[in-house]
Amino acid sequence: AQSVTQPDIHITVSEGASLELRCNYSYGATPYLFWYVQSPGQGLQLLLKYFSGDTLVQGIKGFEAEFKRSQSSFNLRKPSVHWSDAAEYFCAGGWDYGGSQGNLIFGKGTKLSVKP
Amino acid sequence: GAVVSQHPSWVICKSGTSVKIECRSLDFQATTMFWYRQFPKQSLMLMATSNEGSKATYEQGVEKDKFLINHASLTLSTLTVTSAHPEDSSFYICSARDRGRNYGYTFGSGTRLTVV
Repeated sequence: AQSVTQPDIHITVSEGASLELRCNYSYGATPYLFWYVQSPGQGLQLLLKYFSGDTLVQGIKGFEAEFKRSQSSFNLRKPSVHWSDAAEYFCAGGWDYGGSQGNLIFGKGTKLSVKP
Repeated sequence: GAVVSQHPSWVICKSGTSVKIECRSLDFQATTMFWYRQFPKQSLMLMATSNEGSKATYEQGVEKDKFLINHASLTLSTLTVTSAHPEDSSFYICSARDRGRNYGYTFGSGTRLTVV
């Protein structure tokens, strides 16, 4: 069965430091992949997505992610973290079924805390 | 960009009553809508998938008689929690897929349901 794994439950970084959040997927076929951010009590905001083409994807708020097929990974990065980036981050994957796009499967999320 | 409006953003109801949550796609047609449930500090769990004009498909373990889903138009889906109990208290989020965009999933802002 398809799954998306975020190995880190909680990460703390200092403001201005670089950030990398890990995401791995499992299943034979390559999924389309997403990163979302959620602030407390809020819905999900799309940061970026990958479904084909260039494996380095640029998103909003200075985030980028790189798809690596050999590692089944889609890690999220940001060169310099701002205090406002503190939130919960979810990686999600979706798989095509006979040409139809199915629902998204979410990782458990990584909570990002930012130290001043 | 694509916008999904979800109402209400929060609701408190008495045990045994029913609550309806609306999810509207404002500027696109959503052939498919998804309903998720999120417990505190946990990830999103898919409850059901609804396609416009047809019955919803529920995930294993989700009571379809308790969580009634209607998707009567391309822009509106509703989730009704019937005979609500305190254990139904949770954060409910809808997502709509834009049939005009590849892999275009947009999330509502969520509904915090508290059953007292």
